[in-house]
Amino acid sequence: DQQVKQNSPSLSVQEGRISILNCDYTNSMFDYFLWYKKYPAEGPTFLISISSIKDKNEDGRFTVFLNKSAKHLSLHIVPSQPGDSAVYFCAALSKTSYDKVIFGPGTSLSVIP
Amino acid sequence: EAEVAQSPRYKITEKSQAVAFWCDPISGHATLYWYRQILGQGPELLVQFQDESVVDDSQLPKDRFSAERLKGVDSTLKIQPAELGDSAMYLCASSRTGGAPYEQYFGPGTRLTVT
Repeated sequence: DQQVKQNSPSLSVQEGRISILNCDYTNSMFDYFLWYKKYPAEGPTFLISISSIKDKNEDGRFTVFLNKSAKHLSLHIVPSQPGDSAVYFCAALSKTSYDKVIFGPGTSLSVIP
Repeated sequence: EAEVAQSPRYKITEKSQAVAFWCDPISGHATLYWYRQILGQGPELLVQFQDESVVDDSQLPKDRFSAERLKGVDSTLKIQPAELGDSAMYLCASSRTGGAPYEQYFGPGTRLTVT
């Protein structure tokens, strides 16, 4: 049973436009939600996080929104750049489970110049 | 910038053979993780070490997989015997003591193909 879901395997966006990556989760006990970015032939790199007690966190061009009632979060990238083309993993962790990080299946973002 | 090192980067082995992967975390990082990533899926935690002690190995198939971190620094993950379904990317990550547990630093991974 997938606890973290990313229902869009891929997304294409024009350079300069907004990219919106979505994620849904089932476990209401998660304490933090995370986004990792992965380029081919590299390991994932941590991008941004949000605590379960917040509804928004912003870091430069990246903003994560959390809707706890809907068990939904999204990552907004504005403006999108070709270098943002990568696989984005949504993830979550519960501090009651040894801080174990549960990853979603990923969404492949292509930013078209 | 310090990085997590993994070797080999690629490994092809026949089923029923033994295979081992090595990971050297960022210096000073007490927590080390081994993940398996099957194509089209996200990384799945196999085992987590705090120094030399196993914190979580609930998803490690213990009949064929073993992991050790004898001196609390580098780590080895072994599969014996390998099965076709073990073909995947094996990722190692580390995080620093006192840091956010989700700020894990990943190595480039070992791509295993079992034939």
